[in-house]
Amino acid sequence: AAGVIQSPRHLIKEKRETATLKCYPIPRHDTVYWYQQGPGQDPQFLISFYEKMQSDKGSIPDRFSAQQFSDYHSELNMSSLELGDSALYFCASSPRSRANTGELFFGEGSRLTVL
Amino acid sequence: GQQLNQSPQSMFIQEGEDVSMNCTSSSIFNTWLWYKQDPGEGPVLLIALYKAGELTSNGRLTAQFGITRKDSFLNISASIPSDVGIYFCAGRHAGGTSYGKLTFGQGTILTVHP
Repeated sequence: AAGVIQSPRHLIKEKRETATLKCYPIPRHDTVYWYQQGPGQDPQFLISFYEKMQSDKGSIPDRFSAQQFSDYHSELNMSSLELGDSALYFCASSPRSRANTGELFFGEGSRLTVL
Repeated sequence: GQQLNQSPQSMFIQEGEDVSMNCTSSSIFNTWLWYKQDPGEGPVLLIALYKAGELTSNGRLTAQFGITRKDSFLNISASIPSDVGIYFCAGRHAGGTSYGKLTFGQGTILTVHP
């Protein structure tokens, strides 16, 4: 079965650079969520989208922005990178009909390292 | 922000033993979920609970939604080596547009010795 696809899987950037992460949800899943997981930490909710509109926002820095496109894929843009942005970034998806259950399907994550 | 207190932080057990872990919260959740995460992978849903008092099983896993809606536990019976990983509880508040806004516990690292 198709899963959530994230790219790139690994990314190394310098401080103050910009990074873009991409997420392709499971087919027919119209809701996308982004989570950040620091080393040894639990995942922290960043932002979510439904039908290309932002539906909720968590602890996402102003330096980060995200959007969902017409094909439902989503991109997380991170600018002026800081050392503390080094983390695993997970995308998760769900169909709107099941979104109320909290049952999210996570991708394998994109590991960002900021040097 | 809202925190879930998950315990224990880590467990070292022998294959065949039973395992129990739990989460507590200072506020009420409408949904409790248990996820497992393998190294370098995304969390995978194990069990979802939707009603206070609900007891649900998935193979060797059993989880319960506490009556007060502020806690949940997960039991794993007859552990096997592939149970190794990090187990996270997660809670979801009701209403609004926060459908997928989960609050995760700190995780329980499980090690199973053959």
